[in-house]
Amino acid sequence: NAGVTQTPKFQVLKTGQSMTLQCAQDMNHNSMYWYRQDPGMGLRLIYYSASEGTTDKGEVPNGYNVSRLNKREFSLRLESAAPSQTSVYFCASIVGPHSGNTIYFGEGSWLTVV
Amino acid sequence: AQSVTQPDIHITVSEGASLELRCNYSYGATPYLFWYVQSPGQGLQLLLKYFSGDTLVQGIKGFEAEFKRSQSSFNLRKPSVHWSDAAEYFCAVGSGTYKYIFGTGTRLKVLA
Repeated sequence: NAGVTQTPKFQVLKTGQSMTLQCAQDMNHNSMYWYRQDPGMGLRLIYYSASEGTTDKGEVPNGYNVSRLNKREFSLRLESAAPSQTSVYFCASIVGPHSGNTIYFGEGSWLTVV
Repeated sequence: AQSVTQPDIHITVSEGASLELRCNYSYGATPYLFWYVQSPGQGLQLLLKYFSGDTLVQGIKGFEAEFKRSQSSFNLRKPSVHWSDAAEYFCAVGSGTYKYIFGTGTRLKVLA
């Protein structure tokens, strides 16, 4: 019963490097999210995908791109990493378009940009 | 604008003592409210949620929360805290069709 799986769990990047965080869910959920978590800031939404084939910006989209590859997978790309992107990243999913649905989270990806 | 405020950044309680974590929200319509818990190095797990109906909601691990519309609050409570409850707790509101707004979290420390 995997739920939401994200990789890698830990990554160190140099400023200017690029990388992609991968996320997959096996719950047949329609909507997927990428959040970042920073001390004292809670979780902030980067991008979300309401359904396969659609993506929308959240609160803090600058410096990121996303791809909803299929219903299961939603990737987050940092094209040119900056130290301000040092954070813990969480992928999440919900079954469908209703703000009362439970969000299911992955275990997080710790990213350090030096 | 919609928002969620958790006024307590850190709370320390003794094992066996009661606990109340505060959450205030700002939302125009009837809110969908959640409490999540995050253990160190882990993702967030749902404790409980409120949609409508009974304003006292029971969750997992012995937690409950009470929705008070007049105070725009959704405080989390537990009668007797266990050492394993040490974690960070997040309040959230469902905002619109797809968006969820999270508070900044309250870190709970439990003294033996």
